[in-house]
Amino acid sequence: DSGVTQTPKHLITATGQRVTLRCSPRSGDLSVYWYQQSLDQGLQFLIHYYNGEERAKGNILERFSAQQFPDLHSELNLSSLELGDSALYFCASSGRTSEKLFFGSGTQLSVL
Amino acid sequence: GENVEQHPSTLSVQEGDSAVIKCTYSDSASNYFPWYKQELGKRPQLIIDIRSNVGEKKDQRIAVTLNKTAKHFSLHITETQPEDSAVYFCAASIVDTGRRALTFGSGTRLQVQP
Repeated sequence: DSGVTQTPKHLITATGQRVTLRCSPRSGDLSVYWYQQSLDQGLQFLIHYYNGEERAKGNILERFSAQQFPDLHSELNLSSLELGDSALYFCASSGRTSEKLFFGSGTQLSVL
Repeated sequence: GENVEQHPSTLSVQEGDSAVIKCTYSDSASNYFPWYKQELGKRPQLIIDIRSNVGEKKDQRIAVTLNKTAKHFSLHITETQPEDSAVYFCAASIVDTGRRALTFGSGTRLQVQP
């Protein structure tokens, strides 16, 4: 167990809908990263938050947004969903004094 | 931004043989290079990492080497076992006070044949 918690584990929804994925980082970690992994694909960086502030954006679509709350948990919002958004979404966190990233178990999103 | 290329995409070895996976990176400022192992349906798990001030690091059967001049680094697994079968990802980032995100390679599917 990495200490990073993601909910829900599975999400099935329809095209055009909006969903929210939730991540709780390891205790004490200030950084939260979101990654997308499509079938047989690598890990694509979406966005990074540090202590509530957005630090960097990767290949994140305009239909997607995220935020990190004062208690350091983070939410990834995906709207106007398309079939191609079906993927495994991972959250990872890292601490103040270590560069190591620890991943959650992921949320498997299926858009039908 | 950083670009990480990883080869091969698939690798099949006999149990007991060695396996080598290679990565190249583009940003000479990158100074942190971890390797992750991902089993089917599971989370990526950190197996070994190296900073740019070190040329080689070992942990039991796994080792990573780094050539800063050529901008490439490699994962070596010796005495492979069936449980080593998984997808392996290399990554690179710049570690500073900002804790930047990792850029991952495309992954190598390692199959260890019993």
